[in-house]
Amino acid sequence: SQKIEQNSEALNIQEGKTATLTCNYTNYSPAYLQWYRQDPGRGPVFLLLIRENEKEKRKERLKVTFDTTLKQSLFHITASQPADSATYLCALLNGGSQGNLIFGKGTKLSVKP
Amino acid sequence: GAVVSQHPSWVICKSGTSVKIECRSLDFQATTMFWYRQFPKQSLMLMATSNEGSKATYEQGVEKDKFLINHASLTLSTLTVTSAHPEDSSFYICSAIGLWQGDGYTFGSGTRLTVV
Repeated sequence: SQKIEQNSEALNIQEGKTATLTCNYTNYSPAYLQWYRQDPGRGPVFLLLIRENEKEKRKERLKVTFDTTLKQSLFHITASQPADSATYLCALLNGGSQGNLIFGKGTKLSVKP
Repeated sequence: GAVVSQHPSWVICKSGTSVKIECRSLDFQATTMFWYRQFPKQSLMLMATSNEGSKATYEQGVEKDKFLINHASLTLSTLTVTSAHPEDSSFYICSAIGLWQGDGYTFGSGTRLTVV
């Protein structure tokens, strides 16, 4: 069955450093992969989408890479700030363009000042 | 951008009672709405998919008679947890997408249900 894994449950880093989060998937060939941010007691908020024909995507301090051979996506936050502390979820689309999302468990990022 | 409003944000109810959660798309017509449930430190798990005017499609293991979903209009879907029990206590989140769907999906802010 399709599986999406975020290996680290938690990641603690110092302010100003780059945070790197990993997402792996199996039994799936997604056309694209999405990353979301979730704060405690809130719904996920969309951050970035990367397509299978894109190696890298950037948005301000965020960068996402997508390696379809390794079946892996890396999510980077450069110059991290305490306000970046949250849980980050990767998600794949199940089915067609109007299908539901399958989520990983998420990685809880804590940025210490 | 697309906004999805979910109410209530939290609710406490007695065991055996029913609770209704509303999900509204505020500035677009939602052709499809998804209902997820999330337990602590777990990923969002899809419960059901609803399309306006038709019956919801439930995921395996989700009791359709217990979790009633109504998607009567293009801007409103409701989830009713009937005869709630403590094990139904969870975080329920809706998501809505429209025909002209952008890159990401829009989620409601979630509802924390506690059954005592």
